Amino acid sequence: ETGVTQTPRHLVMGMTNKKSLKCEQHLGHNAMYWYKQSAKKPLELMFVYSLEERVENNSVPSRFSPECPNSSHLFLHLHTLQPEDSALYLCASSQEVRGRSIQYFGPGTRLLVL
Amino acid sequence: ILNVEQSPQSLHVQEGDSTNFTCSFPSSNFYALHWYRWETAKSPEALFVMTLNGDEKKKGRISATLNTKEGYSYLYIKGSQPEDSATYLCALNSNSGYALNFGKGTSLLVTP
Repeated sequence: ETGVTQTPRHLVMGMTNKKSLKCEQHLGHNAMYWYKQSAKKPLELMFVYSLEERVENNSVPSRFSPECPNSSHLFLHLHTLQPEDSALYLCASSQEVRGRSIQYFGPGTRLLVL
Repeated sequence: ILNVEQSPQSLHVQEGDSTNFTCSFPSSNFYALHWYRWETAKSPEALFVMTLNGDEKKKGRISATLNTKEGYSYLYIKGSQPEDSATYLCALNSNSGYALNFGKGTSLLVTP
């Protein structure tokens, strides 16, 4: 257990559905991240939050909408996704947002868009 | 996005063998280099965060070195065990942002 949980672990959705991914960290960290892992590609950073404020958005399409209501919770709202959005979505947290902080990852949500 | 290259892409060794793999990265604006281990169906787990040129870090049978001037880091595993089987990821952070730029990883399989 890394102290970062994600739900659901698996999700199948149609292109017209709206769903949300949830991440919770129990480590008292100030920074949280969403990553995407597609087949045969490296982990790609999507969003970074520091103290509940979004500090980086890596040119992610607007059909992905993050939300950070407090420092322990992070959501990724999904709507009108495309089949190519099928991937593993990982959440991570770190003590601070600067790059020398170890990131602690959740187990991921495996998303399939039909 | 910074180009982080890892080699080899995959590696198959026998139990007891020692092995090493490479992470190459652009040396300009270096801030930190991370190594993670990712076992199948589990979360990526941090091994090391390296920040200074010449850094050497060790955790049990695993060690890593860093050369920021030439832009590479080596990860060594001494006396590989089947439980070392995993994908090993390196990730670079530069001075220009918060992002960790990951390589594609080296997939290690250790057979008894």
